[in-house]
Amino acid sequence: AQSVAQPEDQVNVAEGNPLTVKCTYSVSGNPYLFWYVQYPNRGLQFLLKYITGDNLVKGSYGFEAEFNKSQTSFHLKKPSALVSDSALYFCAVSKYSGGGADGLTFGKGTHLIIQP
Amino acid sequence: SQTIHQWPATLVQPVGSPLSLECTVEGTSNPNLYWYRQAAGRGLQLLFYSVGIGQISSEVPQNLSASRPQDRQFILSSKKLLLSDSGFYLCAWTPGTGDQETQYFGPGTRLLVL
Repeated sequence: AQSVAQPEDQVNVAEGNPLTVKCTYSVSGNPYLFWYVQYPNRGLQFLLKYITGDNLVKGSYGFEAEFNKSQTSFHLKKPSALVSDSALYFCAVSKYSGGGADGLTFGKGTHLIIQP
Repeated sequence: SQTIHQWPATLVQPVGSPLSLECTVEGTSNPNLYWYRQAAGRGLQLLFYSVGIGQISSEVPQNLSASRPQDRQFILSSKKLLLSDSGFYLCAWTPGTGDQETQYFGPGTRLLVL
């Protein structure tokens, strides 16, 4: 079975500072890794994904994530936080299944709060 | 471009009443479709997914059911709601071919069972 852990319920960062939201995963075989963001009472928005290739993945709104196979981690990062980045962030994993239609396994989410 | 719709946006229902939530996708054909439930603004639980008309896979046994009467329509139903069915219900889709891993979510339906 695959699983995702987001060890922090909440991360507080001052505006303009770099931010990191942590994610570790467990899956047999090659993982597909995702980050999504959710604003209050809204659906999830896709930010970025890692499938293969370069371990540093760049996504929407200036976010990036680094895949680390040895540490089974996929931390979300941004060099300079904005107040508008405040939201709930989800890490998710999917086992590569050759184009199958399995659902994603999500972490519990991390509230990111950017303080002005 | 593709868009995904869910309705209603909000629903308040008494315990024991039936439920029908609808999800439709535009701008694509033969998508894979998913229903998730999110409780208390946190993690998502996959309820059902479908790879085609009439093809439904259930991930969690419960008093909910899903149907796919048309290619781009996915319906979540219940005959008798429980208090524990309250939550935020999200529909998602992926293309039927090509990149089938990235899921795109609808705006969600907030259900409150009283």
